[in-house]
Amino acid sequence: AQTVTQSQPEMSVQEAETVTLSCTYDTSESDYYLFWYKQPPSRQMILVIRQEAYKQQNATENRFSVNFQKAAKSFSLKISDSQLGDAAMYFCAYRSANDMRFGAGTRLTVKP
Amino acid sequence: DAMVIQNPRYQVTQFGKPVTLSCSQTLNHNVMYWYQQKSSQAPKLLFHYYDKDFNNEADTPDNFQSRRPNTSFCFLDIRSPGLGDAAMYLCATSRYRTSGSPYNEQFFGPGTRLTVL
Repeated sequence: AQTVTQSQPEMSVQEAETVTLSCTYDTSESDYYLFWYKQPPSRQMILVIRQEAYKQQNATENRFSVNFQKAAKSFSLKISDSQLGDAAMYFCAYRSANDMRFGAGTRLTVKP
Repeated sequence: DAMVIQNPRYQVTQFGKPVTLSCSQTLNHNVMYWYQQKSSQAPKLLFHYYDKDFNNEADTPDNFQSRRPNTSFCFLDIRSPGLGDAAMYLCATSRYRTSGSPYNEQFFGPGTRLTVL
């Protein structure tokens, strides 16, 4: 089975600064997608950004971007100009025809 | 607004007493998922439906069952809850991926927090 590893249980960033959350995964499949989801306290999980494995270009959504290194099986999330509303649990997720798996999450704190 | 709704948000049951959690959606998505999320852990997929086609994860205990009577509703039944079943249960939906198209994002409900006494 595929595994998704988030090695940083907690991260902290100063407001307006940049932070990078790490994610690595293990797979033998060639067709898969990677996602970052955000789960604010007591609120529902929402999609932040998505990356198709066949695309070399890194996905970008406003202040959020990824660094996708397919050979290294690495998929990190960069949050630029951090805002107080970015404080949440962030989950990296892997999706293929045979599997849907989440990492254990990284709790991001944003300091004013 | 289109959304995924879970009821109740908080559920307390007794050890061994059957409990049902419900999920409804107005997104008209044909795929629905149930996840179990314990504190500070990753959501763990229990099962999912492609329309009425039920897909059980290999390690989902038999104690957990699901029903999907129509597109909008999906239920999670825990036949004999144990203390280890206390968790947040998340329902999610997505559109079915057709050949050549990307995997679609999942839309999550707010979850039901289950307490087992």
